[in-house]
Amino acid sequence: AQSVTQPDIHITVSEGASLELRCNYSYGATPYLFWYVQSPGQGLQLLLKYFSGDTLVQGIKGFEAEFKRSQSSFNLRKPSVHWSDAAEYFCAVMKTSYDKVIFGPGTSLSVIP
Amino acid sequence: EPEVTQTPSHQVTQMGQEVILRCVPISNHLYFYWYRQILGQKVEFLVSFYNNEISEKSEIFDDQFSVERPDGSNFTLKIRSTKLEDSAMYFCASSADRGLYTFGSGTRLTVV
Repeated sequence: AQSVTQPDIHITVSEGASLELRCNYSYGATPYLFWYVQSPGQGLQLLLKYFSGDTLVQGIKGFEAEFKRSQSSFNLRKPSVHWSDAAEYFCAVMKTSYDKVIFGPGTSLSVIP
Repeated sequence: EPEVTQTPSHQVTQMGQEVILRCVPISNHLYFYWYRQILGQKVEFLVSFYNNEISEKSEIFDDQFSVERPDGSNFTLKIRSTKLEDSAMYFCASSADRGLYTFGSGTRLTVV
């Protein structure tokens, strides 16, 4: 069965610092990969997705993620974090384009001034 | 930008009561989904719906749950007899193409 792990439950970074959120997935083939962000009390917003092709994908709000097949990873990065980036971040996978989304447990990001 | 609309945003119900959570998917989307997020936990798949029938459901989606697309625009999730453990945020989503889900902002269900 597919699974998604996010090793870091909670991360705190200083505003302006760089950020990397880790994600590993378990699936035989290359799944569709996503990062979603959820602000407190809000819905799920898609940050970026990887289907195929270039392994470095750009998303909204200055985020990017890199797919590494050899490591079964899809880590999210941002070079300079803003206070408004404080939120819960979910890595997610899909087996096929119309399959259900399997979410990771999430990483809570706090940003300190 | 098109949105998935969910109503109500928050519903409080007594244990044992029936609730219906409503969703208006994006108009040209064909695939519809419900997900659940218990407070502090991860988002879990409940059910997917296509061509007026359930295409997949999770173990969570037992006989207490049902989905319906009563007209051309609404997509509903019904919980027949709510339990305390049904308290969660329920997200509706729809898609037209290649994994490009759009999620609604959710309905927070509180069972008391």
